[in-house]
Amino acid sequence: RKEVEQDPGPFNVPEGATVAFNCTYSNSASQSFFWYRQDCRKEPKLLMSVYSSGNEDGRFTAQLNRASQYISLLIRDSKLSDSATYLCVVTPLYGQNFVFGPGTRLSVLP
Amino acid sequence: DVKVTQSSRYLVKRTGEKVFLECVQDMDHENMFWYRQDPGLGLRLIYFSYDVKMKEKGDIPEGYSVSREKKERFSLILESASTNQTSMYLCASLSTTGESSYNEQFFGPGTRLTVL
Repeated sequence: RKEVEQDPGPFNVPEGATVAFNCTYSNSASQSFFWYRQDCRKEPKLLMSVYSSGNEDGRFTAQLNRASQYISLLIRDSKLSDSATYLCVVTPLYGQNFVFGPGTRLSVLP
Repeated sequence: DVKVTQSSRYLVKRTGEKVFLECVQDMDHENMFWYRQDPGLGLRLIYFSYDVKMKEKGDIPEGYSVSREKKERFSLILESASTNQTSMYLCASLSTTGESSYNEQFFGPGTRLTVL
């Protein structure tokens, strides 16, 4: 089993749609959780950290369920500019190495 | 703004050649990383370094080595390039002075390496 797994995608949605991405992780001792965004032929960039209480940043909402070892990202009112690959990232309790999921590609269509 | 630069965007080498990929960051970050990214496999950690002259193996270190002689520079070395090392190589840096939830990895633009 991979350490971090994500919806295989791709997701093709119309502008204005709400889309949710799911991610599961296998290491119960994982400490920190993130969503990164990677545009085509570009490097990954941090989208948002994921906190136990859940957090929201504009149209983006991230949730963490430690008991189920599950992380989600919800995008409301999708824009064309949201088209990218979304990477779920998990870090262990001790150590600096980040473990990346394979990513889920999103295409928002006009 | 944090800037992470990589020596080349595109590189073509022949099997058996020694290949050097250079990465430089300008924010005095302690930690630096080398990943490779392949379709369907995502980013996989090759090596990381948490201090000058320190290095740790990642998930796929075989066929690679690294060097960190200065804090700002982290080099990835392919001792004898092989075709299965054709990939996108991404360097990243990270500061861990704050709470871990706020840690952010900053990536370079990547080097697309093709080994013929």
